[in-house]
Amino acid sequence: IAGITQAPTSQILAAGRRMTLRCTQDMRHNAMYWYRQDLGLGLRLIHYSNTAGTTGKGEVPDGYSVSRANTDDFPLTLASAVPSQTSVYFCASSRVPRDQEQFFGPGTRLTVL
Amino acid sequence: GENVEQHPSTLSVQEGDSAVIKCTYSDSASNYFPWYKQELGKGPQLIIDIRSNVGEKKDQRIAVTLNKTAKHFSLHITETQPEDSAVYFCAASMGSSASKIIFGSGTRLSIRP
Repeated sequence: IAGITQAPTSQILAAGRRMTLRCTQDMRHNAMYWYRQDLGLGLRLIHYSNTAGTTGKGEVPDGYSVSRANTDDFPLTLASAVPSQTSVYFCASSRVPRDQEQFFGPGTRLTVL
Repeated sequence: GENVEQHPSTLSVQEGDSAVIKCTYSDSASNYFPWYKQELGKGPQLIIDIRSNVGEKKDQRIAVTLNKTAKHFSLHITETQPEDSAVYFCAASMGSSASKIIFGSGTRLSIRP
């Protein structure tokens, strides 16, 4: 089934631990994105990638890093998790960057204690 | 800075009535305005979008209007049905940045039977 998969579905993490959220798409989309969703704040862009090998910072990049080694995968890493990173994380992709429909994954619910 | 404001945050309408959600944006260079619907436990899904060279766009019971001069755009849902209950997000592309789309804070729409 074409689309975006995210793993894990949910995770409880101790503060200070390192965590990688995984995202894979099979639509051969060039652009990929990571958002966090917090109540009352909508979706905020963390990092994005216009094409394999390139990445860029979004609205709230601090404390997060990404890599884009190939077209399909776009992992998000929290080097040392803090409680303010408790959120629901969505990965998305679009065929090309800018002004195009974004397809979202099912999300990862992360709790940092 | 770049900003998208969305109102109201919650909306309850009688089944069969119309619902209107309004958004304003700050960047006069924005030229792409998508609307996303998010059902409980799922990622957002595009329902309609409009580009700056168009003032209105319709798709069955859904319509979006855009006023570039006033920098606001609205979502109209007519003949509402129970399955329209969800959270709706407006968004706007931002200026010269290749991939930034800024989302509004969301509207939780409830359809009363």
